[in-house]
Amino acid sequence: NAGVTQTPKFRILKIGQSMTLQCTQDMNHNYMYWYRQDPGMGLKLIYYSVGAGITDKGEVPNGYNVSRSTTEDFPLRLELAAPSQTSVYFCASSYLDRGPEETQYFGPGTRLLVL
Amino acid sequence: KQEVTQIPAALSVPEGENLVLNCSFTDSAIYNLQWFRQDPGKGLTSLLLIQSSQREQTSGRLNASLDKSSGRSTLYIAASQPGDSATYLCATKTSYDKVIFGPGTSLSVIP
Repeated sequence: NAGVTQTPKFRILKIGQSMTLQCTQDMNHNYMYWYRQDPGMGLKLIYYSVGAGITDKGEVPNGYNVSRSTTEDFPLRLELAAPSQTSVYFCASSYLDRGPEETQYFGPGTRLLVL
Repeated sequence: KQEVTQIPAALSVPEGENLVLNCSFTDSAIYNLQWFRQDPGKGLTSLLLIQSSQREQTSGRLNASLDKSSGRSTLYIAASQPGDSATYLCATKTSYDKVIFGPGTSLSVIP
């Protein structure tokens, strides 16, 4: 299994541009998450999904959109990039949200720089 | 709102030393607490997960404890090795919120 994969690894955007961060998992996990990590800070939840077709906001959703058309894919969309969105973005997945199989598996991250 | 802190922010120890990393949280009504490891430029790897009904969990040289009443968790690493060098993050899950991460402790184990 490849686990959780993310593309691209690194991207530079100009202010106002848009882009989609891709996330795919091959573990048949129901739950998927998007986090951002700023320097010296912990991760903050942007959006999450409990299954195909179902998404919900996390702690810091403004400026982002998500969709979940399949179990495997959970793309994150930035519509109008702003310097405040410069960060490292992590996608994660888990089989359940509770119990022994709630451990989240993380992708390697996408480093985004908005200038 | 749950807040999670970790002290110290950075720690450097000689190889072979036993060490303790600290995690504090403000809301004791947690569902679980998890310790993660993050290597530079990489994603997070789950180390130990402690359910709210548990006091500790062990995996190899790692032992994590949980004291909900005082809002504290510790990660004990025995006989540290250079390969243990990484950033260690703790995270709590409450009944009304998703996972809240601490800022992490950067550990360097000097050969």
